[in-house]
Amino acid sequence: NAGVTQTPKFRVLKTGQSMTLLCAQDMNHEYMYWYRQDPGMGLRLIHYSVGEGTTAKGEVPDGYNVSRLKKQNFLLGLESAAPSQTSVYFCASSDLTGGGSGANVLTFGAGSRLTVL
Amino acid sequence: GQNIDQPTEMTATEGAIVQINCTYQTSGFNGLFWYQQHAGEAPTFLSYNVLDGLEEKGRFSSFLSRSKGYSYLLLKELQMKDSASYLCAVRDGNYQLIWGAGTKLIIKP
Repeated sequence: NAGVTQTPKFRVLKTGQSMTLLCAQDMNHEYMYWYRQDPGMGLRLIHYSVGEGTTAKGEVPDGYNVSRLKKQNFLLGLESAAPSQTSVYFCASSDLTGGGSGANVLTFGAGSRLTVL
Repeated sequence: GQNIDQPTEMTATEGAIVQINCTYQTSGFNGLFWYQQHAGEAPTFLSYNVLDGLEEKGRFSSFLSRSKGYSYLLLKELQMKDSASYLCAVRDGNYQLIWGAGTKLIIKP
């Protein structure tokens, strides 16, 4: 059971470079999310998707783009990396069980640590 | 604004009991979650409360008081492997998850 897989696990970029983080889930979940986690702060939602072909902005979307061309994959792109984007990025997925009233538990990937110099 | 408050760090002794508190102020409420996150790893789901009261799951219990905007996670018979950060998250009136910064729990032998 792979669950949610993120690649790469580590990456160092120079300011202005671009890169894509890949998230893949094998649980047939409809919802997928990209979060960033910084010291002393709660997880912050960057973008999310409620199904194949859909994306929406979260709390901190600036400087990031996403795509969900296939249900199992959710890509996070940085077009021009900045030092402020140094962070640990987590992808997560959830299904529609319970909808708005149920638990709708998130399953997280192992994280991608990005450093921008 | 919306806010989740948890203690930054707590220390407890192996075999003891520890209570981690979480207070919240959100626009609406549709459930409260606790996740465990070991250092360098992904958060994993522990518990979910949507009604007032205590939910028990083995050594872990979670309590909710909606009128007080308060929850706690109770860990009994602490083991060294319980050393981790514990994240409190509230789903607000728009069904968005608001996360606390987490409580780092250190277990000493």
